[in-house]
Amino acid sequence: EAGVAQSPRYKIIEKRQSVAFWCNPISGHATLYWYQQILGQGPKLLIQFQNNGVVDDSQLPKDRFSAERLKGVDSTLKIQPAKLEDSAVYLCASSLVPGRDTQYFGPGTRLTVL
Amino acid sequence: DQQVKQNSPSLSVQEGRISILNCDYTNSMFDYFLWYKKYPAEGPTFLISISSIKDKNEDGRFTVFLNKSAKHLSLHIVPSQPGDSAVYFCAATSGTYKYIFGTGTRLKVLA
Repeated sequence: EAGVAQSPRYKIIEKRQSVAFWCNPISGHATLYWYQQILGQGPKLLIQFQNNGVVDDSQLPKDRFSAERLKGVDSTLKIQPAKLEDSAVYLCASSLVPGRDTQYFGPGTRLTVL
Repeated sequence: DQQVKQNSPSLSVQEGRISILNCDYTNSMFDYFLWYKKYPAEGPTFLISISSIKDKNEDGRFTVFLNKSAKHLSLHIVPSQPGDSAVYFCAATSGTYKYIFGTGTRLKVLA
């Protein structure tokens, strides 16, 4: 069974530029999550999708971050414009159902904002 | 407000000995707890979980203990192996279904 795929793996941009990350979850997983992991901290949930609907985006900085999952499969997370404090690893995870079902993580995208 | 805390940033253990990783939580609504392991440049991988109706769950060399009155859980690895060297995160969730992760403990198993 293929795991969660993410691209790119690494990205370096200047502040005020825009960037987009892509995630392809495990086939059949209805729930998709985007996390931000800052160095030395645990992953923090940014947004959770159930199929193509948003379940929780309470910690998404909506003035600069946006995410979509148009067909209920792939998802993109965008930052525009980026700030220095956005430097982090962005992790995508998926689960079969929401709730206490195990979340499976992709390898992440390491973003460096200069 | 750090609802899930891992107070030991790092831990070194000799190969073959027991590794004990600790996690404390503050929210009494949490009723399901998980441990994830993370190698460098990889995403976290699920290790073991425990429901609040249990106080122990075992899977091979890994055992998780839950003390609800103390709001404390621990992960025991016996015997520890060099391949267990990684960062371990505990996570907690409740009816909101959102995972809250701790800050992680870096385990180094010395050969």
